[in-house]
Amino acid sequence: DAGVTQSPTHLIKTRGQHVTLRCSPISGHKSVSWYQQVLGQGPQFIFQYYEKEERGRGNFPDRFSARQFPNYSSELNVNALLLGDSALYLCASSFPTGSVGGETQYFGPGTRLLVL
Amino acid sequence: AQKITQTQPGMFVQEKEAVTLDCTYDTSDPSYGLFWYKQPSSGEMIFLIYQGSYDQQNATEGRYSLNFQKARKSANLVISASQLGDSAMYFCAMRGGGDKIIFGKGTRLHILP
Repeated sequence: DAGVTQSPTHLIKTRGQHVTLRCSPISGHKSVSWYQQVLGQGPQFIFQYYEKEERGRGNFPDRFSARQFPNYSSELNVNALLLGDSALYLCASSFPTGSVGGETQYFGPGTRLLVL
Repeated sequence: AQKITQTQPGMFVQEKEAVTLDCTYDTSDPSYGLFWYKQPSSGEMIFLIYQGSYDQQNATEGRYSLNFQKARKSANLVISASQLGDSAMYFCAMRGGGDKIIFGKGTRLHILP
């Protein structure tokens, strides 16, 4: 079975530009989460979507937005890029288990974004 | 507020030895889940093991086991018989009643031949 896929794998943008990152979850998974991982740090939660509805949002500015499509794939959009947005952006999918804390997230390979 | 602490920024271990990676956590949620992920240099986060807060027994997955001490709020990862391919960053993470996973800062593990 295919795992979580993300595109593109690498991206170079300049300050002020806009970027769209894409994610396809594991088949059967209805929840997608986005994380930002700056070099040398652990991933930081940005968004979670479940059944096309936003279910959680991290402490990120409004320049960051996301959506989930009927096929459960997702897009992360970042407007007015800043140098500090340079990071590895990870997408994770999960299948709700009904138990609090028990929902394992499976990650994709990530998109490496460099803002110049 | 939830918090994950990994106090070992880096570790060097001889091949075939067992290794313990430390993780302590803090949460006020009565129900939560604890996870360990491995991140090789390629960047992909690989799920290793999960422990629920109400699980009575420590989780095990092959060479990985989680030493869960609830009263001490610790969830250490034990890798038995380490291999060269185990060299990577290891992250401890927690999910509580909210919808996000909180990650620690990670431990870089180096396996020496």
